[in-house]
Amino acid sequence: EVQLVESGGGLVQPGGSLRLSCAASGFTFSRYAMSWVRQAPGKGLEWVSTISTRDGSTYYADSVKGRFTISRDNSKNTLYLQMSSLRAEDTALYYCAKGGVADSYGPYFDNWGQGTLVTVSS
Amino acid sequence: QSVLTQPPSVSEAPRQRVTISCSGSSSNIGNNVVNWYQQLPGKAPKLVIYYDSLLPSGVSDRFSGSKSGTSASASLAISGLQSEDEADYYCAAWDDSLNGYVFGTGTAVTVL
Repeated sequence: EVQLVESGGGLVQPGGSLRLSCAASGFTFSRYAMSWVRQAPGKGLEWVSTISTRDGSTYYADSVKGRFTISRDNSKNTLYLQMSSLRAEDTALYYCAKGGVADSYGPYFDNWGQGTLVTVSS
Repeated sequence: QSVLTQPPSVSEAPRQRVTISCSGSSSNIGNNVVNWYQQLPGKAPKLVIYYDSLLPSGVSDRFSGSKSGTSASASLAISGLQSEDEADYYCAAWDDSLNGYVFGTGTAVTVL
């Protein structure tokens, strides 16, 4: 059974930094693209970032480009999101999501974690 | 700001059929696969349709998807509507111009 467990969320001041983690199990982690998707309170889903498999290519939404960095440690089956220069509008529930097709960029998310809440406020 | 447009809400009586539209452009729906996600209240999203019209294992066959590449639009249909289908539904696709995924604005389905 695929399991994705996010952690690292919390309250942070504007301009601060935070690192999210997503521990994966139940599949061959290194073969699947992984993504972060967020949802602000009462709002819709917003894609944040994706990291591919073989070449580690990364993709970012314009809203986080230059501030967030996605990475993965295939030896630990863990996905990360390093967030810096945080803004109030980054407040959201952050989901980790698994790509649906091995050795590809996605192209859909077939498993999701339960999310970790990030609140940016002074 | 979503680039895929969905109606904010749809409602129908039990056992009836609803259709949710998703309108995009040539850079997303027109050139890439469309996927649909269901989000029950307080829960994480769940994949219900992938590759435009395929059903993931375990998802009810009351769900179906279609796409018109020429009009850059897609639809999700739910037949035999049940109270457990009350949720928010999102379409999504890769966007070649943005070089990233885009989600639809989301549609709340209400069973009357």
